[in-house]
Amino acid sequence: KQEVTQIPAALSVPEGENLVLNCSFTDSAIYNLQWFRQDPGKGLTSLLLIQSSQREQTSGRLNASLDKSSGRSTLYIAASQPGDSATYLCAVETNTGKLIFGQGTTLQVKP
Amino acid sequence: AAGVIQSPRHLIKEKRETATLKCYPIPRHDTVYWYQQGPGQDPQFLISFYEKMQSDKGSIPDRFSAQQFSDYHSELNMSSLELGDSALYFCASSPRRDLSTDTQYFGPGTRLTVL
Repeated sequence: KQEVTQIPAALSVPEGENLVLNCSFTDSAIYNLQWFRQDPGKGLTSLLLIQSSQREQTSGRLNASLDKSSGRSTLYIAASQPGDSATYLCAVETNTGKLIFGQGTTLQVKP
Repeated sequence: AAGVIQSPRHLIKEKRETATLKCYPIPRHDTVYWYQQGPGQDPQFLISFYEKMQSDKGSIPDRFSAQQFSDYHSELNMSSLELGDSALYFCASSPRRDLSTDTQYFGPGTRLTVL
């Protein structure tokens, strides 16, 4: 059974810092891995999608990497801003299309 | 660009009542997924439909049922509501041409509160 784990559960950093969020999964048979952002009580916004054959994806200050063989992904956020404060969820997509989510990392960026 | 529409956005019900949540996918998306996110929890997959047929089923209680209609919108019917059903219910849609590249687009969610 696929399990997704995110570390740390919470993170507080001063504005301007670079940071790394970690995601691990137990079954390497995935179609893709996605990183989402969720603001409190709100919906899910897709940030980056990494196909199983890819190693990384970049969008602006965000860079996500994927090591399928070791079951790990990282989300790198450069030059963090207070507006980046949110919960970040990683999810792996199975062969039926369903997403299995991690518990998320709640990020607070202090001005 | 059109997004996934969910209605209602908020719903308050009493225990043992019935609720119906609706999801309207992005035009030309033929696949719909339902997820349940309890307070402080990660989203849990409930059920999915592809071309109006159920394609996968997760941890969905027997009290819940769902279907996808000819216009591709989907409804999640929840009966005999329990306090533990209080959650944010997300619908997502995808064109499902290629699972490895086609992301799921999530709706804003329906917040169900069971009193």
